Amino acid sequence: NAGVMQNPRHLVRRRGQEARLRCSPMKGHSHVYWYRQLPEEGLKFMVYLQKENIIDESGMPKERFSAEFPKEGPSILRIQQVVRGDSAAYFCASSRVGGADTEAFFGQGTRLTVV
Amino acid sequence: GDSVTQMEGPVTLSEEAFLTINCTYTATGYPSLFWYVQYPGEGLQLLLKATKADDKGSNKGFEATYRKETTSFHLEKGSVQVSDSAVYFCAPRGSQGNLIFGKGTKLSVKP
Repeated sequence: NAGVMQNPRHLVRRRGQEARLRCSPMKGHSHVYWYRQLPEEGLKFMVYLQKENIIDESGMPKERFSAEFPKEGPSILRIQQVVRGDSAAYFCASSRVGGADTEAFFGQGTRLTVV
Repeated sequence: GDSVTQMEGPVTLSEEAFLTINCTYTATGYPSLFWYVQYPGEGLQLLLKATKADDKGSNKGFEATYRKETTSFHLEKGSVQVSDSAVYFCAPRGSQGNLIFGKGTKLSVKP
């Protein structure tokens, strides 16, 4: 059973371009969480999605960032018109259900560099 | 809002030394508590968890006990190894199911 798969592992974008980060959850998992880790910082929650629904987006910046988790295919975190401050590692986690004691499994992350 | 406080790193220890990494949290109700470990260049791996008061989570020689009265979940290991060098994150689970992370504690173990 493959783990959480994120791609690409590394992504370089010029300022003003769009970045698309993909996350395929573990088989049988329908809950996905996105986190951002700035250099030398902890992980900050961004958004929690269930298939076709956004459950909690309280950590998402109000502009330029969006996320989706369609019925078929991976979850996508989209950053439009990237700026240098968007450079970070973006991690996706998935869980089978959304309960408070359910283990979440993390992918290896996408490291975004904006030049 | 919910938050977590971990001891500042980096923590540098010699092999076979005793390890304690303190963690306290503020949260609504009694959340499940998790410790995750991040090795260089990797994602996070679950180390251990506890889902209710007085539960003790343990794995690979690491232990942590859910202390409701002090809202703490300190991580301990009796004898660390060089291979334990990593960043450790304490994370309560928020009411919506998302994990709440602090800055992490970097551990370096010297031979």
